Amino acid sequence: KQEVTQIPAALSVPEGENLVLNCSFTDSAIYNLQWFRQDPGKGLTSLLLIQSSQREQTSGRLNASLDKSSGRSTLYIAASQPGDSATYLCAVSPGRYSGNTPLVFGKGTRLSVIA
Amino acid sequence: EPEVTQTPSHQVTQMGQEVILRCVPISNHLYFYWYRQILGQKVEFLVSFYNNEISEKSEIFDDQFSVERPDGSNFTLKIRSTKLEDSAMYFCASSERDTQETQYFGPGTRLLVL
Repeated sequence: KQEVTQIPAALSVPEGENLVLNCSFTDSAIYNLQWFRQDPGKGLTSLLLIQSSQREQTSGRLNASLDKSSGRSTLYIAASQPGDSATYLCAVSPGRYSGNTPLVFGKGTRLSVIA
Repeated sequence: EPEVTQTPSHQVTQMGQEVILRCVPISNHLYFYWYRQILGQKVEFLVSFYNNEISEKSEIFDDQFSVERPDGSNFTLKIRSTKLEDSAMYFCASSERDTQETQYFGPGTRLLVL
């Protein structure tokens, strides 16, 4: 059974700092990995999707990497801003399904960026 | 930009009552999902739906739950007889094609069962 773990559970950094959020998964047979942002009491906003054949994806100040064989992904946020404060969720799409695959989520990293 | 919408945003119900949660997926999307998130817990998959039938369901999705696409735009989740432990945020998601595509999530319906 696929399990997704995110470390750290919470992180507080001063504005302007570069930071890395970590995600690990137990089964390397995945179709893709998605990073989401969740603001308190709100829905999930998709940030980046990395296909299993890719090593990284970039969007603005965000860069996500994937090492499928070791079951790891990182989300790098450059020059953090207070508006980046949110919970960041990692989710994998297990490869044992065909058709529409359910995402398996980690519990998230709660990020606070202090002005 | 197209987005997934959900109604209501909040629902309070008595234990044993039926609730219907509604979702309007992005219009050209073909794959639909329901997830839930109990307060402080992980987001959990409930069910996926394609071509007017259930594709996958989790062990959470028991006989108390059902899904329907009653028309060309709505996608509903029905809980027949709510329990206290059904209290959670319920998210609808959709994707344009299959597993290779990004899943787009709605804002959620917060369900409170008393």
